[in-house]
Amino acid sequence: EPEVTQTPSHQVTQMGQEVILRCVPISNHLYFYWYRQILGQKVEFLVSFYNNEISEKSEIFDDQFSVERPDGSNFTLKIRSTKLEDSAMYFCASSGGLAGPTDTQYFGPGTRLTVL
Amino acid sequence: DAKTTQPNSMESNEEEPVHLPCNHSTISGTDYIHWYRQLPSQGPEYVIHGLTSNVNNRMASLAIAEDRKSSTLILHRATLRDAAVYYCILRAITNAGGTSYGKLTFGQGTILTVHP
Repeated sequence: EPEVTQTPSHQVTQMGQEVILRCVPISNHLYFYWYRQILGQKVEFLVSFYNNEISEKSEIFDDQFSVERPDGSNFTLKIRSTKLEDSAMYFCASSGGLAGPTDTQYFGPGTRLTVL
Repeated sequence: DAKTTQPNSMESNEEEPVHLPCNHSTISGTDYIHWYRQLPSQGPEYVIHGLTSNVNNRMASLAIAEDRKSSTLILHRATLRDAAVYYCILRAITNAGGTSYGKLTFGQGTILTVHP
């Protein structure tokens, strides 16, 4: 069964450093998403991406964050200058986008980001 | 976004049915009701969705009240593997150029504990 994959599974970085989290969405999907979950808290939407541009973003997704689909398979989230409060589990998701509001999002296993 | 209310936690015994309630009294006529779950240390996983009629799939059933102000996710025979956080989510379509089929807005969900 096709699945969303994410690398690395755990990333440790120093405050102020740049990190890139990588995702390989399901191959024929058209819509891509990033969510994050701070330990013990709810899953929060960050950004959605379609047709090579951001279609929606949350207040969390400020200028420190960017997304890119550098080739036909990868979808990346970059945090330019990490802060302690960026420590969280980051989930990538993708959806086919063909069925409108019934569209199912498929989530990856997550990348745990730890900022020291 | 219309809001959902779920109990913080529920418990069940293995092989017994589980009814997980969700209230969504401000639901709009075009909102679909989606259920996702998050197993421990994993990304969220789609369970089921519906609009007005009750729905069944291999994982669960969804019973939707006639006025659509509430719904119930039914696990017919809970297994230990069903222990997870269950999220009831109303799926809103955003109109960012008509290209986004909507973020998922997660609440705190219901923590389901299944006892052997």
